[in-house]
Amino acid sequence: NAGVMQNPRHLVRRRGQEARLRCSPMKGHSHVYWYRQLPEEGLKFMVYLQKENIIDESGMPKERFSAEFPKEGPSILRIQQVVRGDSAAYFCASSRQGVDAGELFFGEGSRLTVL
Amino acid sequence: QQQVKQSPQSLIVQKGGISIINCAYENTAFDYFPWYQQFPGKGPALLIAIRPDVSEKKEGRFTISFNKSAKQFSLHIMDSQPGDSATYFCAASRTAGTASKLTFGTGTRLQVTL
Repeated sequence: NAGVMQNPRHLVRRRGQEARLRCSPMKGHSHVYWYRQLPEEGLKFMVYLQKENIIDESGMPKERFSAEFPKEGPSILRIQQVVRGDSAAYFCASSRQGVDAGELFFGEGSRLTVL
Repeated sequence: QQQVKQSPQSLIVQKGGISIINCAYENTAFDYFPWYQQFPGKGPALLIAIRPDVSEKKEGRFTISFNKSAKQFSLHIMDSQPGDSATYFCAASRTAGTASKLTFGTGTRLQVTL
């Protein structure tokens, strides 16, 4: 049973370009969370999605960031017009029933570098 | 009220020693407290978790101590080994409702020396 798969693992973008990060949850998991980790810092919650629904996007910047989890296919975190401050590791986590029912399984992250 | 404060930021322990990492939370509605372990270049992985109906939980060399009145919980790693060298994150969540999410501490970088 494959774990949470994230791609790309590393992404380099120039300022103003778009970054798309993909996350395939573990088989049977319908809850997806995105977290951002800045160097030497903890993980900051961004967004919580279930299939075709955004449940909580309170940690998402209001502009340039969007996320989706379609009925078919991976969850996508999209960052438009990237700036240097967007450079970070972005982690996706999935669970079968949400946090209250057990652990979150994390992917290995996508490391975005903005030049 | 969503903060989780973690200390120390870094910790060096000799092989065989006890590693202790502390966390404090503010939101009294939090009712699930996991610890995650992260190796460089990897994602965090669940190590051990506790709910506030117990004051201690032990799994192998790892123990969580929980003090509900003080709103504090800690991770103890007994007989620390070089393979335990990693970054440890405490976290907390309020599991009631449909939008529960984990709030993480800032992490503790543990180095276990020979």
